[in-house]
Amino acid sequence: AQSVTQLDSQVPVFEEAPVELRCNYSSSVSVYLFWYVQYPNQGLQLLLKYLSGSTLVKGINGFEAEFNKSQTSFHLRKPSVHISDTAEYFCAVSGSGGYQKVTFGIGTKLQVIP
Amino acid sequence: NAGVTQTPKFRVLKTGQSMTLLCAQDMNHEYMYWYRQDPGMGLRLIHYSVGEGTTAKGEVPDGYNVSRLKKQNFLLGLESAAPSQTSVYFCASSSLPGTGVGGTEAFFGQGTRLTVV
Repeated sequence: AQSVTQLDSQVPVFEEAPVELRCNYSSSVSVYLFWYVQYPNQGLQLLLKYLSGSTLVKGINGFEAEFNKSQTSFHLRKPSVHISDTAEYFCAVSGSGGYQKVTFGIGTKLQVIP
Repeated sequence: NAGVTQTPKFRVLKTGQSMTLLCAQDMNHEYMYWYRQDPGMGLRLIHYSVGEGTTAKGEVPDGYNVSRLKKQNFLLGLESAAPSQTSVYFCASSSLPGTGVGGTEAFFGQGTRLTVV
């Protein structure tokens, strides 16, 4: 069984400030990790993913995430946020290899304040 | 390139009515999924399919049925709608993970907002 914990349900941040959205996971097997973004009234789209290799993963729109196996974390960061980053962000985990269901966290709403 | 298309986008049902949500994908993906999204609960998997003609239960299957008669379509049915099924429903699809190489992303539709009164 696997699970994902997003520690913050809402994160307000001023425009041009840095932000970190936290994600912890648990799994008994090797994992793949994802961050998805959902803009208002839209479906989810992939922001970035970690499969293997470098633990620092860069995604679209200037976001990056770092995989930390010892702390079972996959926190999402952006050095300077923009108003257009206001959205809900979902962390997700799946087992690696073959067919594995994806488990989503409950989401973190990022509110960028002008 | 449409990706994943859901119909309808909005629907209001009376308790006890039935309806079918249609999901169509044009990416030749093997896997398709139906999720429901509720405030504070994230996305929960209702049913999924690993290929044409196959379906399986997810976390919250009760009250729903699905069919995957064609590879590109995945239908979600509510036989007798209840207010607890008021939610936003998302369909998603993903490609078949290669052996030892996976991590395929899921592609999502725009969602169907269903209200049961």
